[in-house]
Amino acid sequence: GQNIDQPTEMTATEGAIVQINCTYQTSGFNGLFWYQQHAGEAPTFLSYNVLDGLEEKGRFSSFLSRSKGYSYLLLKELQMKDSASYLCAPMDSNYQLIWGAGTKLIIKP
Amino acid sequence: GAVVSQHPSWVICKSGTSVKIECRSLDFQATTMFWYRQFPKQSLMLMATSNEGSKATYEQGVEKDKFLINHASLTLSTLTVTSAHPEDSSFYICSARTSGRSEYNEQFFGPGTRLTVL
Repeated sequence: GQNIDQPTEMTATEGAIVQINCTYQTSGFNGLFWYQQHAGEAPTFLSYNVLDGLEEKGRFSSFLSRSKGYSYLLLKELQMKDSASYLCAPMDSNYQLIWGAGTKLIIKP
Repeated sequence: GAVVSQHPSWVICKSGTSVKIECRSLDFQATTMFWYRQFPKQSLMLMATSNEGSKATYEQGVEKDKFLINHASLTLSTLTVTSAHPEDSSFYICSARTSGRSEYNEQFFGPGTRLTVL
């Protein structure tokens, strides 16, 4: 079956760095997306990885290891506005996104 | 960037009535649109996938006669919740994908519609 595993909740301090891990199992693989979702709002696109390695985009970086079925999202210089849920969503062989429940990130001053 | 709108943003209705939710891609043509439902603190649940001009493909467990989806044009898809009941109260989100406009083939999400059935 298809499965996503992320921590349910994480807490970090403003200005710090946090890494949100994701392991996945899918039927086929066409890349992995990270989305941010604030409470009561729709998800917004953060990053996409299809090849192994690290993709850096400003304060956010995303890493992928296809052989391990593993990805992480790294957030640097945390700001209060980064408090949100972070969704790891691999795309299967049918180009469908597989969604987990996401990781709720709480930023404390 | 690519913008997707939804209307209405929230709706309250009586049990037994039907509710229509519109999803529009404002600055691109959406070859595929997706409808999701999300209950509090739960993951997005894909309800159906629709391609312009063809019938929607519903996920297992989603009643196609209750959740009517129409994708009549490349910029508009509608979801009609027929004979809504309190258990249909949820956050309904559409997303759109297009070939050519997106570098990553990502889905662009609408802002969502919060449905409350009394």
